[in-house]
Amino acid sequence: DIQMTQSPSTLSASVGDRVTITCRASQSISSWLAWYQQKPGKAPKLLIYKASNLESGVPSRFSGSGSGTEFTLTISSLQPDDFATYYCQHYNSYPLTFGGGTKVEIK
Amino acid sequence: EVRLVESGGGLVQPGGSLRFSCAASGFTFSSYWMSWVRQAPGKGLEWVANIKQDGSEKYYVDSVKGRFTISRDNAKNSLYLQMNSLRAEDTAVYYCARIIAAAGNYAFDMWGQGTMVTVSS
Repeated sequence: DIQMTQSPSTLSASVGDRVTITCRASQSISSWLAWYQQKPGKAPKLLIYKASNLESGVPSRFSGSGSGTEFTLTISSLQPDDFATYYCQHYNSYPLTFGGGTKVEIK
Repeated sequence: EVRLVESGGGLVQPGGSLRFSCAASGFTFSSYWMSWVRQAPGKGLEWVANIKQDGSEKYYVDSVKGRFTISRDNAKNSLYLQMNSLRAEDTAVYYCARIIAAAGNYAFDMWGQGTMVTVSS
């Protein structure tokens, strides 16, 4: 199984900060990676698919990059609505697996 | 409006069974792969199962193989998960999710609100 490791697990930041979250795969997954945002008590929301493709309706301050085993999610200017937990997920092969999550907190 | 609505969760004893469903609306259900994803209380997300548009292909995470069955009824725009031999570690919120309609992509672009399953005596 491919393991997905996210870092950091928690991130404290202020409104307006540039935030970067890293996701590493235990083996190459090409660009088969998605990023999700989840708020407490809510279902996850797709932000990025195929490593760098912005889902329709997602603000352009979100961007994704990477291929192979290293990927990043960047929020260019953190907004109040962005405080949430973020997950990466690979879909290179079965079983599909998620990273452990990164909680973005208010500093 | 595009929606996925789960129903059927609840409290069940260890070793018991539960079947819940996901009703889809606002899109052509039969054109999409569908999935179940779960989240244990306070934990991260775990993919459970996928099913192809016509039900001809099904995939499961190892921990549920032989116990859970994913199925669908395209005439009713509904997805199902039959769970047998339930264990305490199956306690979670179960989400129905649609898989993005692009070749090779298995990202989840739409999610239901989730249904809670508690396995406890």
